[in-house]
Amino acid sequence: QKEVEQDPGPLSVPEGAIVSLNCTYSNSAFQYFMWYRQYSRKGPELLMYTYSSGNKEDGRFTAQVDKSSKYISLFIRDSQPSDSATYLCAMSLSNFGNEKLTFGTGTRLTIIP
Amino acid sequence: EAGVTQSPTHLIKTRGQQATLRCSPISGHTSVYWYQQALGLGLQFLLWYDEGEERNRGNFPPRFSGRQFPNYSSELNVNALELEDSALYLCASSTTPGLAGEDTGELFFGEGSRLTVL
Repeated sequence: QKEVEQDPGPLSVPEGAIVSLNCTYSNSAFQYFMWYRQYSRKGPELLMYTYSSGNKEDGRFTAQVDKSSKYISLFIRDSQPSDSATYLCAMSLSNFGNEKLTFGTGTRLTIIP
Repeated sequence: EAGVTQSPTHLIKTRGQQATLRCSPISGHTSVYWYQQALGLGLQFLLWYDEGEERNRGNFPPRFSGRQFPNYSSELNVNALELEDSALYLCASSTTPGLAGEDTGELFFGEGSRLTVL
């Protein structure tokens, strides 16, 4: 079993829809949770960062962590064609930067105009 | 400000050969990370260098090696190439880990070097 499981998709939704992206994990010691966005032929870029359980909102994006269920989500409201990318969840045991990140396989998202 | 730069963009090798990939971190960043992104497998951690020293290593065979130079740039070497080494190799940099602040240690990725082994 992989430490982090993520539905690879692909996921296609119409513009304006709410998108839900999810990851499950097996290591209860993970404390830091991140979502990276990777456009085609580009490197990943950090989108959202959350510590422990709870919600974090940034504009149209909301990251949710449920440590009791070992489940994290990323919600995108009013989705735009520019949101079309691969979304990777990532998590680490300690403050990211001094510990390797464990990534999901990524979900490929397409927003249809 | 220049981001993380990687070279070459594409590299084609045959089985048994050696590949060398290069990475220049963002100015001021001392940590360099290497990841392998193979189709269907996501990003797999390879190596972490900080201040010229190897700090951590992922679950890869010894034929994957690297180094960090005094100017903090880094090189990844893959010896005795195998077909399954075909992947996108991503380099990321960050500031020195362990400093205070929520944003410290964010990984900034380059665009990657795509290695094809025939």
